[in-house]
Amino acid sequence: KNQVEQSPQSLIILEGKNCTLQCNYTVSPFSNLRWYKQDTGRGPVSLTIMTFSENTKSNGRYTATLDADTKQSSLHITASQLSDSASYICVVSPQTGANNLFFGTGTRLTVIP
Amino acid sequence: GAGVSQSPRYKVAKRGQDVALRCDPISGHVSLFWYQQALGQGPEFLTYFQNEAQLDKSGLPSDRFFAERPEGSVSTLKIQRTQQEDSAVYLCASSFVGKRHQETQYFGPGTRLLVL
Repeated sequence: KNQVEQSPQSLIILEGKNCTLQCNYTVSPFSNLRWYKQDTGRGPVSLTIMTFSENTKSNGRYTATLDADTKQSSLHITASQLSDSASYICVVSPQTGANNLFFGTGTRLTVIP
Repeated sequence: GAGVSQSPRYKVAKRGQDVALRCDPISGHVSLFWYQQALGQGPEFLTYFQNEAQLDKSGLPSDRFFAERPEGSVSTLKIQRTQQEDSAVYLCASSFVGKRHQETQYFGPGTRLLVL
């Protein structure tokens, strides 16, 4: 079973609208959680990183939240732009000493004019 | 360079052929990672280097996969006797410090491998 689950699998929204992407994980204990944006044909680019003690982190129009108790994170995108069309991947790092990063399968966001 | 670069960007191989994928990390980055990303999936860890030392190769799917980073900078992922299930995007990432669970990894554009 994948230890990082994302929803929805895909999403289509109108330009200018807001949206929220979800990430549930079972990785425990964990060190930090990241959201990456991956444009088609490119490598992922880091948007936010949060440790287990942080519950929100913003990067421009992107705001990530984390609830370490329920093991849930969300990425909220405000006033979407056409350039936001991409896959958004949630990545969980196990605690110190472990080597594997756990990637979600991503949410494919399409912003239409 | 400004970022992580990979070559070739696209590779078509006949089943049974050997391939070599190259990664040039960001200059000065200590850590280097290889990932395999199947279509519609998230990347899956293959192997990790700290300088020239391969500290973790637990994600390599078989002994046909081999990676090296002999001088602690450029890395090569080699796949011998390619199979159709090897078709995927191979991503390389680098980070500045060795504690990879804490540092942001910077990804290259990937090499898309298609095995016919």
